[in-house]
Amino acid sequence: SQQGEEDPQALSIQEGENATMNCSYKTSINNLQWYRQNSGRGLVHLILIRSNEREKHSGRLRVTLDTSKKSSSLLITASRAADTASYFCATFTGGGNKLTFGTGTQLKVEL
Amino acid sequence: EAQVTQNPRYLITVTGKKLTVTCSQNMNHEYMSWYRQDPGLGLRQIYYSMNVEVTDKGDVPEGYKVSRKEKRNFPLILESPSPNQTSLYFCASSLQRTDTQYFGPGTRLTVL
Repeated sequence: SQQGEEDPQALSIQEGENATMNCSYKTSINNLQWYRQNSGRGLVHLILIRSNEREKHSGRLRVTLDTSKKSSSLLITASRAADTASYFCATFTGGGNKLTFGTGTQLKVEL
Repeated sequence: EAQVTQNPRYLITVTGKKLTVTCSQNMNHEYMSWYRQDPGLGLRQIYYSMNVEVTDKGDVPEGYKVSRKEKRNFPLILESPSPNQTSLYFCASSLQRTDTQYFGPGTRLTVL
C-alpha cells in the first residue's frame, strides 16, 4: 500500500456542507502537504503542515496532523461547487528526497 | 509570472520512437521532479533532482531518463516508448526538497 492513503476514495455532498477527508501514512515525516487537482489538470498546493504542528488553517480549509496515529485530515467548510476536485496528501519518503502521493479523494459538491 | 511549463501538452506517438518532454521553471528552484498519473494509482514519482547535475530515481524510473544541465530545465526522455507509458505526466519544482511543490499543467502522452 502507499505511503499516503486517502479516505474516503469518493465523497459527494451538497453545497454549504462540510467535507472531511483523511490521509494515513506509514513512516515518519518532515511535513505533510495537501494538494487539489481539477479534472486532468495540474496540482495546486493547498496547505503544508510540519511535523511539529497539530493544526493549520487557510481560509475555509483546516488541516490537522496526528503524528502518533500517522494521520492527517483536511476539512473544507461551507463547500462550494467550485471545490469539486480530487484532493491528495503527500509526504516525503526515502530518506526525505522522494515525494509520495496518495491515491486521492474525489470530492463532488452538488448545487 | 512564476510558473512551471511543460511541452508538449499532448503527444501521440508510436512504440519505439524516442521523445523528450521538456520542463522549465522560472523560480530558481533547486528541487525538480517528474510524476506520472494513472487512474487508480495516483501520482507516482519517476525521477527527481536535488540540484544541477544531481538526479535520482523515484518509484517508477524504468524506461525513463532525465538530465539536469541547467537549474531551470529538467527534460524527461523516453528513449523507446512503449504503450504502458501512456499516461499523464507532470513536472514539479520547489525551492528546497521538502517545500511546497509547484506543478506544470501536464503532458498527456499516448503511445500506440
